[in-house]
Amino acid sequence: DAGITQSPRHKVTETGTPVTLRCHQTENHRYMYWYRQDPGHGLRLIHYSYGVKDTDKGEVSDGYSVSRSKTEDFLLTLESATSSQTSVYFCATHDSPRTEAFFGQGTRLTVV
Amino acid sequence: GENVEQHPSTLSVQEGDSAVIKCTYSDSASNYFPWYKQELGKGPQLIIDIRSNVGEKKDQRIAVTLNKTAKHFSLHITETQPEDSAVYFCAASIDGNNRLAFGKGNQVVVIP
Repeated sequence: DAGITQSPRHKVTETGTPVTLRCHQTENHRYMYWYRQDPGHGLRLIHYSYGVKDTDKGEVSDGYSVSRSKTEDFLLTLESATSSQTSVYFCATHDSPRTEAFFGQGTRLTVV
Repeated sequence: GENVEQHPSTLSVQEGDSAVIKCTYSDSASNYFPWYKQELGKGPQLIIDIRSNVGEKKDQRIAVTLNKTAKHFSLHITETQPEDSAVYFCAASIDGNNRLAFGKGNQVVVIP
């Protein structure tokens, strides 16, 4: 466990509303990732960050944005939530290119 | 981009028997191959990993083998126990920073 805290753990929101998920880590890890997990699709990368203010898109980035203003926090924003964004979201971090990635406990988001 | 596939999608084994999960990958430049275990309601947790300069790695009842020529790697669990029941994900690195592409996961059920 790399001291990763995701918040909130559960959220129900309405279509069209903005939503921000937070990933907070206490290990000073440089690398951070946001994934979504859906049945039949496994873990798919949304956005990632290789350092403060250094972010890039993953394979399923449409409808999502991220920010990393501090090493310890990586925020995922759904600008206007849609039902297709109902999912479980995981944050992951690691320290250096050759170290293992640790995952948070996940955030279950339901868009109604 | 990297494409990681896992087979079978579901595997049931009798307690005490062995379980084998196979993954294939498409990018010959991938050089890091971790396996993650995910228990219900939790985030994935690394159980073993292997780098491309090694053909096999063992850790107690768990082993991973890598065939770079065929571009596949396998997870072997011996003497399975009920607590081995979980979803297992394989992954392959897609850049030098250990950014990962994941397979879709295997549900392993150990029958007491």
